[in-house]
Amino acid sequence: DQQVKQNSPSLSVQEGRISILNCDYTNSMFDYFLWYKKYPAEGPTFLISISSIKDKNEDGRFTVFLNKSAKHLSLHIVPSQPGDSAVYFCAASAVNTDKLIFGTGTRLQVFP
Amino acid sequence: DAGVIQSPRHEVTEMGQEVTLRCKPISGHDYLFWYRQTMMRGLELLIYFNNNVPIDDSGMPEDRFSAKMPNASFSTLKIQPSEPRDSAVYFCASSSRQGALVTGELFFGEGSRLTVL
Repeated sequence: DQQVKQNSPSLSVQEGRISILNCDYTNSMFDYFLWYKKYPAEGPTFLISISSIKDKNEDGRFTVFLNKSAKHLSLHIVPSQPGDSAVYFCAASAVNTDKLIFGTGTRLQVFP
Repeated sequence: DAGVIQSPRHEVTEMGQEVTLRCKPISGHDYLFWYRQTMMRGLELLIYFNNNVPIDDSGMPEDRFSAKMPNASFSTLKIQPSEPRDSAVYFCASSSRQGALVTGELFFGEGSRLTVL
């Protein structure tokens, strides 16, 4: 049972446009959500996070939106750059636990 | 500052052989996590330790998998006997207590790519 789902395995976007990566979750106990970015042959690295008490968090070109009623979050990258080409993982943690549950990842390709 | 160090980076072995993956967490981090990455399931949590003690091993797929953390600077993940379906990239990650509980930030190693023929 996949508690964190990323239904789009891949996404292709032109440089300068907006990239929108989506993530759905099933566990209502999740209270913290994160996005990680992974380049080939490297480990994932933390990108941005959001607490369940917020519905938006912005960091430069990256914005994460949380819709608790729909159990859905999304990552917006504006403007997209070729260096953003990577696999993006959505992750969630539940209150009073010490572990992150990851999704299956979405491969983003930004072309010139 | 050294990050999480994993070895080997690549391992190719034959079915039935024992495989041992190693991890050195970031100094001062008291949480250590083992994840496995596959196309079908993404990043799966296998087991995690707090202060060298296994806390949750519910993600370990079978008895063929075992993990140890004999001290704060070293952990192993062992597969015995290995099978072709174990082929994946295995990641080790570490975190400080505050990071794990408040923000969930993990610091990952570069991974060990395992191929079982």
